[in-house]
Amino acid sequence: QVQLVESGGGVVQPGGSLRLSCAASGFTFSHFDMHWVRQAPGKGLEWAAHIRYDGTTKNYGDSVKGRFTISRDNSNKTLYLEMSGLRPEDTAVYYCAKDRSPLHLDYWGQGILVTVSS
Amino acid sequence: ETVLTQSPATLSVSPGEGATLSCRASQSVSINLAWYQQKPGQAPRLLIFGASTRATGIPARFSGSGSGTDFTLTISSLQSEDFAVYYCQQYTNWPLTFGGGTKVEIK
Repeated sequence: QVQLVESGGGVVQPGGSLRLSCAASGFTFSHFDMHWVRQAPGKGLEWAAHIRYDGTTKNYGDSVKGRFTISRDNSNKTLYLEMSGLRPEDTAVYYCAKDRSPLHLDYWGQGILVTVSS
Repeated sequence: ETVLTQSPATLSVSPGEGATLSCRASQSVSINLAWYQQKPGQAPRLLIFGASTRATGIPARFSGSGSGTDFTLTISSLQSEDFAVYYCQQYTNWPLTFGGGTKVEIK
């Protein structure tokens, strides 16, 4: 069965950096695009980033563009989100999600909380 | 950016009744629209993609319709497990966008 397990969340000061990881299992990771989606406390879903199955194409939401970098390691079946220049408004649960193609999300991790606060 | 507007924000329904949720796009997304269900403390679950195709394991009481800018999710007879927040998502244009959600609550 498909499993996506996020890690790396926590509390970070404004302006700081954090790297999220998402360990995938139960499917051929290297064959599928992947996404990060976030959800601020009590708010709706916000798509953050996408990466093509081979890592050659990346897309970002406007609110994270230039500050966040999505990447993947297909040999280790892991998705990453490198976050820098963090702001209080980046506080959210971050979900990694598998792409069903095209560009909708059929499996989601349980989410990991990132809190940006001094 | 393609803005998705969901209505109503909250829908109060008695178990066994039907519910109709709306999602309107600011520009055409063809049929590239998905619906998700999210329960408190859980990750979203894919219900519908391609505007009207049920995802694997989704009961037949969930149906989607529409194309272009106007879409509907219909739940024919609400079960206790259907009370949740529902989101639409378009995947025609970058950036991908979600609607603000409709909360379906017990009346």
